[in-house]
Amino acid sequence: DQQVKQNSPSLSVQEGRISILNCDYTNSMFDYFLWYKKYPAEGPTFLISISSIKDKNEDGRFTVFLNKSAKHLSLHIVPSQPGDSAVYFCAASDNGNQFYFGTGTSLTVIP
Amino acid sequence: DTAVSQTPKYLVTQMGNDKSIKCEQNLGHDTMYWYKQDSKKFLKIMFSYNNKELIINETVPNRFSPKSPDKAHLNLHINSLELGDSAVYFCASSQRQGYGNTIYFGEGSWLTVV
Repeated sequence: DQQVKQNSPSLSVQEGRISILNCDYTNSMFDYFLWYKKYPAEGPTFLISISSIKDKNEDGRFTVFLNKSAKHLSLHIVPSQPGDSAVYFCAASDNGNQFYFGTGTSLTVIP
Repeated sequence: DTAVSQTPKYLVTQMGNDKSIKCEQNLGHDTMYWYKQDSKKFLKIMFSYNNKELIINETVPNRFSPKSPDKAHLNLHINSLELGDSAVYFCASSQRQGYGNTIYFGEGSWLTVV
């Protein structure tokens, strides 16, 4: 049973525009979330996190929004750059130890 | 310097063989993990060790046996390989447990069983 879902397998965005990647979860006990970025033939690299005490966390061009009532989080990248083209995974945990990952969204930023 | 390194990166082997994937982290982290990414792209945790002690052991066939000789190393040994074991295996580590935890991944080991 997939507890973390990324329903959009792919997304294409023009350079300079905003990229919005979505993630839904089913377990209401999840209260800590991570976003990872993955290039081909490499491991996932950490981007940004958010805990349930916040509804927004920002780091440069990356902002994560959390809507606990909807069990939904999103990653906003603005402005999008060609180097942002990668697969993005969200992950959720209820204890900070065991994380459940989504299947990823492949982002293509078109120059 | 590679923070989490795993070898081999690519491995093609026949069914029934036994193989190992080695992992080392030079971050000084206490916790190490093995994750599996299957053909459907699900990234699922298999094992987690904290200071050489097993703390997470998901439902994984007992043909898979992790070994942690010290907290900087977590190797994965797989006996009697099956076709369904073909996947990408990621080693990872983290400095802490609990909230604020950030997991650092290796580059992955592509295992193909033929």
